[in-house]
Amino acid sequence: GENVEQHPSTLSVQEGDSAVIKCTYSDSASNYFPWYKQELGKGPQLIIDIRSNVGEKKDQRIAVTLNKTAKHFSLHITETQPEDSAVYFCAAPRSNDYKLSFGAGTTVTVRA
Amino acid sequence: NAGVTQTPKFRVLKTGQSMTLLCAQDMNHEYMYWYRQDPGMGLRLIHYSVGEGTTAKGEVPDGYNVSRLKKQNFLLGLESAAPSQTSVYFCASSFPVGDGYTFGSGTRLTVV
Repeated sequence: GENVEQHPSTLSVQEGDSAVIKCTYSDSASNYFPWYKQELGKGPQLIIDIRSNVGEKKDQRIAVTLNKTAKHFSLHITETQPEDSAVYFCAAPRSNDYKLSFGAGTTVTVRA
Repeated sequence: NAGVTQTPKFRVLKTGQSMTLLCAQDMNHEYMYWYRQDPGMGLRLIHYSVGEGTTAKGEVPDGYNVSRLKKQNFLLGLESAAPSQTSVYFCASSFPVGDGYTFGSGTRLTVV
C-alpha cells in the first residue's frame, strides 16, 4: 500500500515569509496528490491538488510541485498571513483501490 | 450546498455504552469514509464504502461497525465504547477515481 511521509511536523514562520512542506510517497503508480488545510475545530478542506502529468500548479499564494522521479511533492505558501495558521495534510492514492493515504500533518504557525 | 454533514458534533459516553454517528452527503458521491484523528497520528481510516449496500474495513476497524443502507448516508456504530475510542471522527465522501475528498466538520467523542 501507499506510505506517505510528511515533514516537518511543525513549522513556525514570520508573517510575510514563505512556508514549505514536503511529502514523500512510496507507490510509483500514484497519480493524484491533494493538500488539505484543517483549521481549529473544523474538518480538513481541499486547498490544492496536482496530477502526475504536470510538475507544478499555482493558485494565488499557494503552489504545489511534484517530482515523480524522486517520489516527492511539496506545498509552498508565499507571503504568509495569520489566516494561514492551520494543520496541513498531504495525501496520495493507493494504486490498487484509489483510497487516499494521508501524511501525519504539519502544524503551521504564522507569527505576526 | 450542505456538502457532508455529521451528527452529533460532540458526545460524551460512559465505557460500555453504544452510539451511532451519522454522516450525510448531498453530492451524489459513490464513496464514503470514516476516519479518526488522534494527536500526532494524522487521519486513520476506520471503514469505508464504495457504494450503497457495501462496506469494507480500513486500517483500524476493531470496535466499530458501519452501514450504508442509502447512498447518501454512512453510519458508524460503537457497540461497547472504550476509552481508547476517545477521538475526533471525520466522515468524508468522494467520487470513485483519483479525486479529492470532501470532509465533514467532525464529531468529538469522549469515552469516560
